[in-house]
Amino acid sequence: GQGVEQPDNLMSVEGTFARVNCTYSTSGFNGLSWYQQREGHAPVFLSYVVLDGLKDSGHFSTFLSRSNGYSYLLLTELQIKDSASYLCAVRDQGGRALIFGTGTTVSVSP
Amino acid sequence: DMKVTQMPRYLIKRMGENVLLECGQDMSHETMYWYRQDPGLGLQLIYISYDVDSNSEGDIPKGYRVSRKKREHFSLILDSAKTNQTSVYFCASSIGTGVQDTQYFGPGTRLLVL
Repeated sequence: GQGVEQPDNLMSVEGTFARVNCTYSTSGFNGLSWYQQREGHAPVFLSYVVLDGLKDSGHFSTFLSRSNGYSYLLLTELQIKDSASYLCAVRDQGGRALIFGTGTTVSVSP
Repeated sequence: DMKVTQMPRYLIKRMGENVLLECGQDMSHETMYWYRQDPGLGLQLIYISYDVDSNSEGDIPKGYRVSRKKREHFSLILDSAKTNQTSVYFCASSIGTGVQDTQYFGPGTRLLVL
């Protein structure tokens, strides 16, 4: 079947980094997206990856390994405002819509 | 200014009442979506609309119907609401269903069915 798995929670400290893991299974692969969702707000698009390897976007970087069905979102130089839920999503089998993971809640402490 | 709007933002209804959730977008996007989000379950797709009067069921369509008579407007209707339909409902839009098409989400409607 198709699915996206993420850990529920992740705690880190301001100024350090956090790595949010995502594993997925799909019939065919059409790219993976990351969204940020702050408490009580809508998801906001962060990044899209379709090629293997690391994609450095500054504060946010993403890694993808298609052979392992694995991606991570790397948040560097963490700030308190980075505290949010981070959602991983892949295209479904028909490519028509996204299948979202349940999200990883990242808590950044001073 | 790209924007997806939702009305109302908060709604309390009694079981058996009808519910109408409205969504609008000003980006002329072809594709629009309705999701619900529940703790531990994440975002679940209810319906997807590819354009005016071109709607398709998502993963959890039971108990819901939709209407899209104008490209910029997409409605979600609950005929005879049930308590298990208490949730946060998000509308989203995208240019199309291309693999890189970013989804833009509205602020959400928090529905409580008593």
